[in-house]
Amino acid sequence: SAVISQKPSRDICQRGTSLTIQCQVDSQVTMMFWYRQQPGQSLTLIATANQGSEATYESGFVIDKFPISRPNLTFSTLTVSNMSPEDSSIYLCSVVGQMNEQFFGPGTRLTVL
Amino acid sequence: GNSVTQMEGPVTLSEEAFLTINCTYTATGYPSLFWYVQYPGEGLQLLLKATKADDKGSNKGFEATYRKETTSFHLEKGSVQVSDSAVYFCALFPYSGAGSYQLTFGKGTKLSVIP
Repeated sequence: SAVISQKPSRDICQRGTSLTIQCQVDSQVTMMFWYRQQPGQSLTLIATANQGSEATYESGFVIDKFPISRPNLTFSTLTVSNMSPEDSSIYLCSVVGQMNEQFFGPGTRLTVL
Repeated sequence: GNSVTQMEGPVTLSEEAFLTINCTYTATGYPSLFWYVQYPGEGLQLLLKATKADDKGSNKGFEATYRKETTSFHLEKGSVQVSDSAVYFCALFPYSGAGSYQLTFGKGTKLSVIP
């Protein structure tokens, strides 16, 4: 299994600011995913981040709002831009294992005031 | 498209009671099926998985059997403990020929176990 860490673990931000979330994996992986979990809800995929190419965004998510970087096979960042209270969520990164299982980071708990 | 339908919660059980959380799915071909658990204030942990029909996934006393004929993957535990209180998510991962790698989640079922 993959060990995934995220920074920060939580943050409280002001409306209109941006926050960059980091995801570090202990092994090289081709595909990384970013999910959002709104309070009391299930997970929604934001985008798939492959090394060496632009991220692929799901319907309802755009690059200007959620820019993603994937500089190498063990690291990715997600930025939540121009935040509003509706962006208050848990943001999780994940990677795919050899048996198609996905392993998740501990999440970043974001509160926007 | 793919979808997962999960038993509505919340579910409240007494310690040592039997647990069933129903999960059914719609997908093309032969997806892999998973149960994830989210303890309060934590991220998601993979609880168990099954990759083909009739496989039984098991972990920590939890079991689920991949039933293709009923497109189901119900989670069961014979005797729950207070420490099992968490939110449980059923999920599917499409087979590799489907051209998609998105994990599809159910809405989650919150389980509370009381002493």
